[in-house]
Amino acid sequence: TQLLEQSPQFLSIQEGENLTVYCNSSSVFSSLQWYRQEPGEGPVLLVTVVTGGEVKKLKRLTFQFGDARKDSSLHITAAQPGDTGLYLCAGLPMDSSYKLIFGSGTRLLVRP
Amino acid sequence: KAGVTQTPRYLIKTRGQQVTLSCSPISGHRSVSWYQQTPGQGLQFLFEYFSETQRNKGNFPGRFSGRQFSNSRSEMNVSTLELGDSALYLCASSLNGDVEQFFGPGTRLTVL
Repeated sequence: TQLLEQSPQFLSIQEGENLTVYCNSSSVFSSLQWYRQEPGEGPVLLVTVVTGGEVKKLKRLTFQFGDARKDSSLHITAAQPGDTGLYLCAGLPMDSSYKLIFGSGTRLLVRP
Repeated sequence: KAGVTQTPRYLIKTRGQQVTLSCSPISGHRSVSWYQQTPGQGLQFLFEYFSETQRNKGNFPGRFSGRQFSNSRSEMNVSTLELGDSALYLCASSLNGDVEQFFGPGTRLTVL
């Protein structure tokens, strides 16, 4: 069974703080995506990483794909209340079964 | 370009009934995937359709079924509803079932 474990599950921080969310697996993925979901809405794609060791930046968000393509991290610098939401990682398994495997999510609350 | 649309947004049914949910993908996208999201289980893959064919299926009972039409629009059906089917049902479209999937806002199903 291919699993993606996210940590931490919950995070409550003050505006301006930095944070890192982790997504780990024992399986290899051909690509990995990060989504943010707000209550009552569908997940919104933030980034896709496909190459081992790849680093992508989206304003204050930095995404990294592990060298072995089994793990990923999301780092937010100087968090703002607008960053509040559920962050989900999702991986496409190497067998290319067109089936995204989702992590359990990290619920982030940024307090003003 | 319009995003993924899902109808209805909210639905209340009673046990034993059946329900049909609809998803219209982004124009030009040929793959539609369906997911169930619950607080306890997170996002779980139901099935994926491409060019009117089911290409992959998750671990859900046969009460959950779907289809895709020639215009790529998709429907999913749940028969003999159970209380545990209460969830947010999300569909996602992509060009060919590839790395980037775009989600709709979801249909919130409540089974009483």
